[in-house]
Amino acid sequence: ETGVTQSPTHLIKTRGQQVTLRCSSQSGHNTVSWYQQALGQGPQFIFQYYREEENGRGNFPPRFSGLQFPNYSSELNVNALELDDSALYLCASSLQGGDTQYFGPGTRLTVL
Amino acid sequence: GQNIDQPTEMTATEGAIVQINCTYQTSGFNGLFWYQQHAGEAPTFLSYNVLDGLEEKGRFSSFLSRSKGYSYLLLKELQMKDSASYLCAPMDSNYQLIWGAGTKLIIKP
Repeated sequence: ETGVTQSPTHLIKTRGQQVTLRCSSQSGHNTVSWYQQALGQGPQFIFQYYREEENGRGNFPPRFSGLQFPNYSSELNVNALELDDSALYLCASSLQGGDTQYFGPGTRLTVL
Repeated sequence: GQNIDQPTEMTATEGAIVQINCTYQTSGFNGLFWYQQHAGEAPTFLSYNVLDGLEEKGRFSSFLSRSKGYSYLLLKELQMKDSASYLCAPMDSNYQLIWGAGTKLIIKP
């Protein structure tokens, strides 16, 4: 157990809808990173938040957006869902950027 | 560009030793992480190397050569529960992890 939690565990949406995924970081960790992992692939970096500010972004379109709250929990929002957005979404928390990242269990998103 | 190269799949026998190699190219370098990922689960942290040499942690050891852009994970006394994917992830100059597709390790009795 890493102390990182994510909700929901599974989610089914249809094309064009919007989704919000949530992550609670490990106690004392102020940095949260979000990843998308398709089946058989490694995680793809979406973005990272450090003390409520975006601190790096991967090659994802603007319809992927995020937020970090004062308690360092975080949200990932995806608008205008596409079929290719179906994946496991992982969040990882770390003490600060550059430290070991500890992953939550992930949210499995299916877009129909 | 940034690139990670690992074998796609490896097979080993229970009780044996296996070495999973990783070569990498990154923009800057701030250490290299190894993670284990069982099917359908999240990655779990195994090891971190920032200096050249071998780091030993129980049955698992990890080696790094920064000049060669090379690392390996050594698993000893293999158990069936070690069947998983192993992900090599160097950290670049922006402190972002760079991920490859990982190596799927199959353990046979």
